[in-house]
Amino acid sequence: GAVVSQHPSRVICKSGTSVKIECRSLDFQATTMFWYRQFPKKSLMLMATSNEGSKATYEQGVEKDKFLINHASLTLSTLTVTSAHPEDSSFYICSASHGASGNTIYFGEGSWLTVV
Amino acid sequence: AQSVTQPDIHITVSEGASLELRCNYSYGATPYLFWYVQSPGQGLQLLLKYFSGDTLVQGIKGFEAEFKRSQSSFNLRKPSVHWSDAAEYFCAVGGLTGGGNKLTFGTGTQLKVEL
Repeated sequence: GAVVSQHPSRVICKSGTSVKIECRSLDFQATTMFWYRQFPKKSLMLMATSNEGSKATYEQGVEKDKFLINHASLTLSTLTVTSAHPEDSSFYICSASHGASGNTIYFGEGSWLTVV
Repeated sequence: AQSVTQPDIHITVSEGASLELRCNYSYGATPYLFWYVQSPGQGLQLLLKYFSGDTLVQGIKGFEAEFKRSQSSFNLRKPSVHWSDAAEYFCAVGGLTGGGNKLTFGTGTQLKVEL
């Protein structure tokens, strides 16, 4: 069946550096993908909607210059955390919808980011 | 704006006992409703979903949920809980945007199962 894959599953980076997380739809095309963030023992919060070929739509309070989203193809969206700080440490997870009505949702496995 | 409320932060049940996790939603139209389960350090697994039709939805692992429009609820149930069901459970409501379905999650309910 359709699968959404994220990479890397875990990453540790130094403060001030940038890190990129990839979200791929493996056997279907996704014009829209979504990025969520989950703090430890907390719920998932939508960060942004990634639109293929156009700018992402960010939720209120999410810094677009810090969390860069690129959706260059129908199967790949990337989230780049720029100038990372320890408070950016979190679980980031993407999703993509499949089907004409978009009501089959697949989540990636998630990516644990630790900024030291 | 859509929202989801899970009033129970923690629930503890004995193995073999029945379970009901509460979920209330707010949404302007007919909602798409989901229940996900997350084990520690893991991603999300879909238990079941409701889009239309029969209001009683059957999912995986013996879970079911009932959509009650009049109560704006979508409670998750299981007749007999197993120790392996201990996890975090999230209710979510979906809204179509562009070519996808973005979800608003509840705050989650942590289920503990006593042996």
